[in-house]
Amino acid sequence: DTGVSQDPRHKITKRGQNVTFRCDPISEHNRLYWYRQTLGQGPEFLTYFQNEAQLEKSRLLSDRFSAERPKGSFSTLEIQRTEQGDSAMYLCASSLLIFGELFFGEGSRLTVL
Amino acid sequence: DQQVKQNSPSLSVQEGRISILNCDYTNSMFDYFLWYKKYPAEGPTFLISISSIKDKNEDGRFTVFLNKSAKHLSLHIVPSQPGDSAVYFCAASGGSSNTGKLIFGQGTTLQVKP
Repeated sequence: DTGVSQDPRHKITKRGQNVTFRCDPISEHNRLYWYRQTLGQGPEFLTYFQNEAQLEKSRLLSDRFSAERPKGSFSTLEIQRTEQGDSAMYLCASSLLIFGELFFGEGSRLTVL
Repeated sequence: DQQVKQNSPSLSVQEGRISILNCDYTNSMFDYFLWYKKYPAEGPTFLISISSIKDKNEDGRFTVFLNKSAKHLSLHIVPSQPGDSAVYFCAASGGSSNTGKLIFGQGTTLQVKP
């Protein structure tokens, strides 16, 4: 499968714990995006990487959130001291062209108890 | 500030009829528009797109229309099939951002009845 891969697909955690999600983009795609989607809403942009450089962060990305893309390949999104409001689907997408479709993974669903 | 809006949360149509999904945007600098389809527990999948230099793009049963003066786009599905039942998101890119990020609407749930 050469699509965007995300792991884990589901994560249940207790409030205050840290969680990390991993995204493996399509191999030749140098652009990588993280989005968050809550029930009844569309995906909301969190952050963007071009190769290993994080070039844009949404104000939604509080200081408890950190994302990395070492070596410009896979990316990780870490949430520290999780809160119940962090419960959402976290989507990763990649693309090759600056203006074109984004290819999404199946998402990582986070439930914070 | 919702820059892309889908004002109809749901739509129900009969199999074989036309489905029309609507989307409005506020940022006149957007220059590329897309429609995505999403099934439960899956990520969004790309359906069709249109550049701001065009007013129509067609791909099989799917046609997207863009009215720049009204800042409005629509997706037509003809004929509708039960497998089209999903959540549809419109998205836009461009404006002040040069990252290629997409701004999504809230989605419209389409149900196609057999």
